[in-house]
Amino acid sequence: DAEITQSPRHKITETGRQVTLACHQTWNHNNMFWYRQDLGHGLRLIHYSYGVQDTNKGEVSDGYSVSRSNTEDLPLTLESAASSQTSVYFCASSETGTGVGEQFFGPGTRLTVL
Amino acid sequence: TQLLEQSPQFLSIQEGENLTVYCNSSSVFSSLQWYRQEPGEGPVLLVTVVTGGEVKKLKRLTFQFGDARKDSSLHITAAQPGDTGLYLCAGGWLSNTDKLIFGTGTRLQVFP
Repeated sequence: DAEITQSPRHKITETGRQVTLACHQTWNHNNMFWYRQDLGHGLRLIHYSYGVQDTNKGEVSDGYSVSRSNTEDLPLTLESAASSQTSVYFCASSETGTGVGEQFFGPGTRLTVL
Repeated sequence: TQLLEQSPQFLSIQEGENLTVYCNSSSVFSSLQWYRQEPGEGPVLLVTVVTGGEVKKLKRLTFQFGDARKDSSLHITAAQPGDTGLYLCAGGWLSNTDKLIFGTGTRLQVFP
């Protein structure tokens, strides 16, 4: 069965370190998204990609970067981790062109920045 | 700026009660989706509505899209403990190729 996986599931890091969160999907979807989830804010979009070599900033992109070298993977990098980036991070993918496409989510990565 | 506001933020009820969750915006959306999220997991789509005034039913859950496509509601009849979770609405625009704006969420707890 197709799926979307995230790793690690839990990560503790220190302020100032670079951290990369992995996202891998086997749906063969062109669209991929990264969100962070914080109490009272729902899900907020960090970055998204509509295909290989395409990346776009979301509403909370400062301090984060992504790259898309193939269809399956969209890693999220925190260049210099800050305590404000402690959160639960979700990756999602969707099929192109439906306009109302269902987004399939991974299980999330809980990141703590000390 | 939060474009989608959900109410209530928290809801604790007894099994068998009915409830309604609201999702409101000042923006017009092409589509409105409802997701449910359980602890330790990612959100899972429940329904998509695309037509103003549309009503969809999923067993004991009834979803309605407002006539002006700015708001939506989720009504659960005879809630069960298995309905416990975080309910998220998400608005989309056809021009944004599946990019969604998520609401603030309603956390529902149903006690036996």
